[in-house]
Amino acid sequence: GESVGLHLPTLSVQEGDNSIINCAYSNSASDYFIWYKQESGKGPQFIIDIRSNMDKRQGQRVTVLLNKTVKHLSLQIAATQPGDSAVYFCAEAFSGGYNKLIFGAGTRLAVHP
Amino acid sequence: EAQVTQNPRYLITVTGKKLTVTCSQNMNHEYMSWYRQDPGLGLRQIYYSMNVEVTDKGDVPEGYKVSRKEKRNFPLILESPSPNQTSLYFCASSPDREDQPQHFGDGTRLSIL
Repeated sequence: GESVGLHLPTLSVQEGDNSIINCAYSNSASDYFIWYKQESGKGPQFIIDIRSNMDKRQGQRVTVLLNKTVKHLSLQIAATQPGDSAVYFCAEAFSGGYNKLIFGAGTRLAVHP
Repeated sequence: EAQVTQNPRYLITVTGKKLTVTCSQNMNHEYMSWYRQDPGLGLRQIYYSMNVEVTDKGDVPEGYKVSRKEKRNFPLILESPSPNQTSLYFCASSPDREDQPQHFGDGTRLSIL
């Protein structure tokens, strides 16, 4: 919904540039991480996930990087397009509770032509 | 098409008038969950269900009830809604396996006057 984006940090990029969205997670026991994209009026949409035994995972135009030492997750979007404009959430889960996701507050990505 | 369907999408009602938000998934998922989304607070889990007749509280269960009589349906019940339950609600489902992301519905915006 429209109100989801209020009070969120915003990343503004030019169309065609690469975007990097960062997330600090809270639980050192978390071992499964997911990035979701939420467009206005829609529910969160799965983008990419990563297990804690990996540092990097690539999808189509997206890459997720995991740094367990500092509990940091990032989502890189290559050649950002106007359709990438949305709010992006990271979520974490831990062994034995994979379905109990803990979501970050989100970052709004604004892509300008 | 694989999807999670919520109804209604929008509802304006008054304090104390019982309401139910329905959620149905057609993916034969074992796990279902309800979240509420508020500005600045991200998504917070209300209740979840690991399978039929198995439900448990999430992080913000007060004022809500759920039931899971069938695998595909997971309704959210507000017995006596109050204004602080005005929010955007999402239902999600996933297989009960490790490393499986949750799939979300498109949300229900509730306004309690």
